[in-house]
Amino acid sequence: RKEVEQDPGPFNVPEGATVAFNCTYSNSASQSFFWYRQDCRKEPKLLMSVYSSGNEDGRFTAQLNRASQYISLLIRDSKLSDSATYLCVVPYYGQNFVFGPGTRLSVLP
Amino acid sequence: EAGVAQSPRYKIIEKRQSVAFWCNPISGHATLYWYQQILGQGPKLLIQFQNNGVVDDSQLPKDRFSAERLKGVDSTLKIQPAKLEDSAVYLCASSYRAGGDTGELFFGEGSRLTVL
Repeated sequence: RKEVEQDPGPFNVPEGATVAFNCTYSNSASQSFFWYRQDCRKEPKLLMSVYSSGNEDGRFTAQLNRASQYISLLIRDSKLSDSATYLCVVPYYGQNFVFGPGTRLSVLP
Repeated sequence: EAGVAQSPRYKIIEKRQSVAFWCNPISGHATLYWYQQILGQGPKLLIQFQNNGVVDDSQLPKDRFSAERLKGVDSTLKIQPAKLEDSAVYLCASSYRAGGDTGELFFGEGSRLTVL
């Protein structure tokens, strides 16, 4: 099992839609998790941190299921500006921050 | 607050040539990372420094890649000789605290390398 796996995408959704991405990880010892956003040809930037069962920030909700070792990111009322690649990041001791391959989202008008 | 600075932004070289990338982290950030991001993939950690010491370089191809952070501030990543598969964006990141599950990573804009 790869260290961090994500829905391959791309996800093409209309404006206003709700979309969810999943991420699975192999290290059961990881205690915190992150979602980063990366715009085309730009650097990754932190979107959300997840330390317990979940986190909500406006239209974005991240949920953590430790038993099944997956994290999800839910985006409600999608905007054109949400179009980006979403990277799931899991800390692994010895390797520190391990990035998933990313899920690309395109929000269409 | 100034962000992570990287240079050059773009570099085109032929295979077997050498190249060097420079990174200046956010002031006060003790931890510095170099990541390699190949098109369509997530960033892959090459090396992590804590101040001027190496914490993790297990995925650094040491036969051709080297990195240093002599004074615990800025860092240089070198590739010599370059191969075609080294074409990628080299991202430098810094964080205030070390450790796997603490702190946010702040990335520079990256150095895009094309090897012909």
